[in-house]
Amino acid sequence: EVQLVQSGPEVKKPGESLKISCKDSGYSFTNYWIDWVRQMPGKGLEWMGSVYPGDSDTRYSPSFQGHVTISADRSINTAYLQWSSLKASDTAIYYCARHENSGDNFDIWGQGTMVTVSS
Amino acid sequence: SYVLTQPPSLSVAPGKTARITCGGNNIGSKSVHWYQKKPGQAPVVVIYYDTQWPSGIPERFSGSNSGNTATLTISRVEAGDEADYYCQVWDSGRDPVVFGGGTKLTVL
Repeated sequence: EVQLVQSGPEVKKPGESLKISCKDSGYSFTNYWIDWVRQMPGKGLEWMGSVYPGDSDTRYSPSFQGHVTISADRSINTAYLQWSSLKASDTAIYYCARHENSGDNFDIWGQGTMVTVSS
Repeated sequence: SYVLTQPPSLSVAPGKTARITCGGNNIGSKSVHWYQKKPGQAPVVVIYYDTQWPSGIPERFSGSNSGNTATLTISRVEAGDEADYYCQVWDSGRDPVVFGGGTKLTVL
């Protein structure tokens, strides 16, 4: 069964760094884009950006560019979302999802990683 | 950037038909995907490319897209359909992936 398995919940303080992960199982990791989607408490889905593990090509939403870094390590079939300096407003659930080509739907989603940033 | 507008909420009695709209400028020229999001669960695609069913999704779910409005229709609504529903498109602007604000479907 094709799955994306995300790392566990995190509780951090403002200003701390964080890297969460999304690991595939059961498909050709380098042939799909991995996207990250944020859902803040009580809010809707927001696309943050994506990475193509085949060549590490990365795209960002202007809303998140410069505040997060998206990367992938194809040797271990894992994509990452990282922050160098968290803010309280980063408190949210973060989902990874995959798509094959531009225009496609996100057909497989990770279970989500809850990130809480609080002093 | 491209904007998708959904009604925040919709209430439907069991057995009736729910129609969830997604408005956007000339959205009929784009392909629309629909996701069901239940609390504590990841989103699941219920309709892709306007009208296509993923495997495992009942045919009670259907989609249409024309002009400035795309619609997700859920026939014979069941209690298990209660969820948030999001439309999504790809755009050539600064934000390539756009989600609608979501519609909370309540089954009365």
